[in-house]
Amino acid sequence: ETGVTQTPRHLVMGMTNKKSLKCEQHLGHNAMYWYKQSAKKPLELMFVYNFKEQTENNSVPSRFSPECPNSSHLFLHLHTLQPEDSALYLCASSLGTLRGEQFFGPGTRLTVL
Amino acid sequence: AQSVTQLDSQVPVFEEAPVELRCNYSSSVSVYLFWYVQYPNQGLQLLLKYLSGSTLVESINGFEAEFNKSQTSFHLRKPSVHISDTAEYFCAVSDPIGGAAGNKLTFGGGTRVLVKP
Repeated sequence: ETGVTQTPRHLVMGMTNKKSLKCEQHLGHNAMYWYKQSAKKPLELMFVYNFKEQTENNSVPSRFSPECPNSSHLFLHLHTLQPEDSALYLCASSLGTLRGEQFFGPGTRLTVL
Repeated sequence: AQSVTQLDSQVPVFEEAPVELRCNYSSSVSVYLFWYVQYPNQGLQLLLKYLSGSTLVESINGFEAEFNKSQTSFHLRKPSVHISDTAEYFCAVSDPIGGAAGNKLTFGGGTRVLVKP
C-alpha cells in the first residue's frame, strides 16, 4: 500500500462501546495528525504527533485518546462517545515543516448511535 | 490565531465555464498556502501550493491560484471546468508548530463546486 491508509473506513458504534481507529503512513514522514470533519464545520485539528511525541492537543475531550507507537502508525481510541461525535475522522502525515504539505488518508466515517 | 475565510460555501457552474473560488487569510507573517480538493467519500488531496517565488501557481489539471500578499488572498481559478471537477475545495494556511517539525494547517470552511452539464 502507498500513501496514508485508514481503517476501518466506516464505523457504527453505541455510546457505551470502545473502538479504535487506525492510521498508517508509508511515506517516511515524521509527523502525523488527526482531524475531525463535521458537516457544515471547518476541519478541526485534534492532535499532532511529531517523532511519536504529542505536540498539540486542540482541547479535545478525553473520550478521544490518541496513541502513536511509532512514526508510521497513529491510533485514535474512542470510548463513551456522544452522537455529536459522529463525523469523518481524517488522518494526515507530513515531513516536518518542509514545504508544509500534509498528505491525507481517506478517512473513517464514524456514526455514534 | 490564524483564520481562513472562503466566502462562497457553494458555487454552481456550467461545464466549460470558468470558476473562481475565493480565499482570504488573516496572518501577517510569512505562511504557506494550499488548496486541497475532496471528492465524494474521499480524503483531501493537495491541488496546489504556494511556498515562495512566483505568486502564480498551477496544478496539473488546469487550476491556478494567485498569492496576493497585500490583500492576503489566495484565490483559485480554472478557465474551463469539467464535470469531474465537482468536489469540495479547501483553502489552508500553514504555520510551523513552535518552530519544531510538524506543522499546523488552518482550513477554511470549504467551497462546494457543482459542475452542471
